[in-house]
Amino acid sequence: KQEVTQIPAALSVPEGENLVLNCSFTDSAIYNLQWFRQDPGKGLTSLLLIQSSQREQTSGRLNASLDKSSGRSTLYIAASQPGDSATYLCAVRGPGANNLFFGTGTRLTVIP
Amino acid sequence: NAGVTQTPKFRVLKTGQSMTLLCAQDMNHEYMYWYRQDPGMGLRLIHYSVGEGTTAKGEVPDGYNVSRLKKQNFLLGLESAAPSQTSVYFCASRGDMSTDTQYFGPGTRLTVL
Repeated sequence: KQEVTQIPAALSVPEGENLVLNCSFTDSAIYNLQWFRQDPGKGLTSLLLIQSSQREQTSGRLNASLDKSSGRSTLYIAASQPGDSATYLCAVRGPGANNLFFGTGTRLTVIP
Repeated sequence: NAGVTQTPKFRVLKTGQSMTLLCAQDMNHEYMYWYRQDPGMGLRLIHYSVGEGTTAKGEVPDGYNVSRLKKQNFLLGLESAAPSQTSVYFCASRGDMSTDTQYFGPGTRLTVL
């Protein structure tokens, strides 16, 4: 069974810093990987989706990379802002699978 | 365009009671999912549907039933609630096999006493 791990569980940084969130998965046979944002008491919002054939995806200040062979993905956030404070979750989908396997998330706090 | 909505937002049940959670989407999506989120654990799939009239079991289906009588609605039922079912429940939908972006509802916080 696919296991998805996110380290650290929580991260606190001063405003303006660049930061990296990590995600690792045990089975490299994935179809794609997604990064989500979850605000307290809210649902999940999809940030970036990387197909297994891709190495990275960018959206604004966010950049996600994928190294399928080593079972790792990183989410890079440039010039962090207090509004970036949220929990960030990664999830992978296997080939032929209908569901996503989620990590437990990294809770990010950006201090003004 | 409301996206994915869930009813109710909060609910408290006593052990043994039953209830139904409603998920509705207005994006004409084929795929719909029910997840539960527990502290220290990632979201886990309960049941899902690949189209109107279809349902399938996910990772943690025991104690739950689902129905997809209309394409826009996906119902999650608890026939006899247990304290272990205290959780936050999320519904999600996805268009078709060509797109993998899942759209999530705001969640239902359920407490079983």
